[in-house]
This record gives sequence, C-alpha cells and structure tokens, in this order.
Amino acid sequence: EDQVTQSPEALRLQEGESSSLNCSYTVSGLRGLFWYRQDPGKGPEFLFTLYSAGEEKEKERLKATLTKKESFLHITAPKPEDSATYLCAVQASGGSYIPTFGRGTSLIVHP
Amino acid sequence: DAGVIQSPRHEVTEMGQEVTLRCKPISGHDYLFWYRQTMMRGLELLIYFNNNVPIDDSGMPEDRFSAKMPNASFSTLKIQPSEPRDSAVYFCASRATGAGANVLTFGAGSRLTVL
Repeated sequence: EDQVTQSPEALRLQEGESSSLNCSYTVSGLRGLFWYRQDPGKGPEFLFTLYSAGEEKEKERLKATLTKKESFLHITAPKPEDSATYLCAVQASGGSYIPTFGRGTSLIVHP
Repeated sequence: DAGVIQSPRHEVTEMGQEVTLRCKPISGHDYLFWYRQTMMRGLELLIYFNNNVPIDDSGMPEDRFSAKMPNASFSTLKIQPSEPRDSAVYFCASRATGAGANVLTFGAGSRLTVL
C-alpha cells in the first residue's frame, strides 16, 4: 500500500526565515510526486510534479526536490502570502494512476 | 473555463437527513474524483469515475454513501441517512487523459456539518 508522511504537521516562520517541508513516501514504483497548495476554504491547487530522483522544480520562492525516498519543499525568504497548507501526493506506476495524499503541513508566515 | 464547480459550499443538516452534493467537472476532463477531508484523516479518496463509469468505490465508507455521474458534466454524492461523523469537507476533482494528465483540478469544496 502506498504511504505518504509529511512533516512537520505545522510550521511557523518569521517573514524571511527560510525552511523546508518534508514528504516521505513508500510506493511500489514511483510514477510521479506532486505538491499542492491549499488555502483556507479552498481546494488544493497544483504546484509541481517530480518524476525522478534528482529532479528539481522552482516557482518563485518555492523549490521542490526529489530523492528515492522523500521530497522536500524548500521555501526561501517566505512572505505572509505563502501561508497555506502544503500537500504532497504520490502516484504509483502501473494500475490506475490515482494519487495518494499525505495529511499536509500547515505553514504560517508571520510578518 | 470556470474550473470545477461544487455546490452547495456549506450545508448544515440534522442527523438522519439526506444530503446531496453536486459537482460540475472541467469540460473535456474524463476522470472525476470525490474526496473527503478531515483533520484526523486528511484527504481520502471516496470514489472515482472514468468516462462517467464508476471505477473504484472502495473508499466509500458505507452503504449510506452513493455517487452517480449521469453525464460528462455532472456528478452527485449522496449521503442517506447522514450522521454527525460525516461532517467534513467534500471535494470534487477532475483530470484529463493525456499530456499533463497527472494533475488534478479541485473544486472549492462543500463543507458539511451534521448536527
């Protein structure tokens, strides 16, 4: 069974204080790993897809990286508008390609 | 495209009542998913459809839950009778087959409170 564990559950940062969120996964064969952002009262919104170990993707202050066992979402010099819950999901190769989601990391960035 | 549209956004009902949640997927998307999100369990897949056909409903918690997709532009999730433990946010998502097919587009969710 595919498993996704995200840590920490919650993270509070000061504006400008860089940090990383972790997503550890167990999957029979990884087809893709996804990061989503979820704002309060809204549905998750797609950020990145990573397909193979060593791959990196960047968007503004966010950079996602992937190894064979985990992914990191690095946040550089965060701003209050980066406050959200960040969800990680994995998609196994073969079968239905249905993603399994982690429970997310709630990030609050204080001004 | 207006994205995935869900209704109602908020529903408060009493235990035992029937609840119907509605979803309009993105035009051209051939997969539709229903998820439930709670603090305790996170985002759980309830059921998904491909070309209007239910493919996997193993996540549906019990027989009180049912879902239909009568056509490519509409789906419903029904709970009858509702119970307080059904209180959660229910999300509908859709996806296309093809390039970039892995990405789910979610609706804004329906927050259900069962008293």
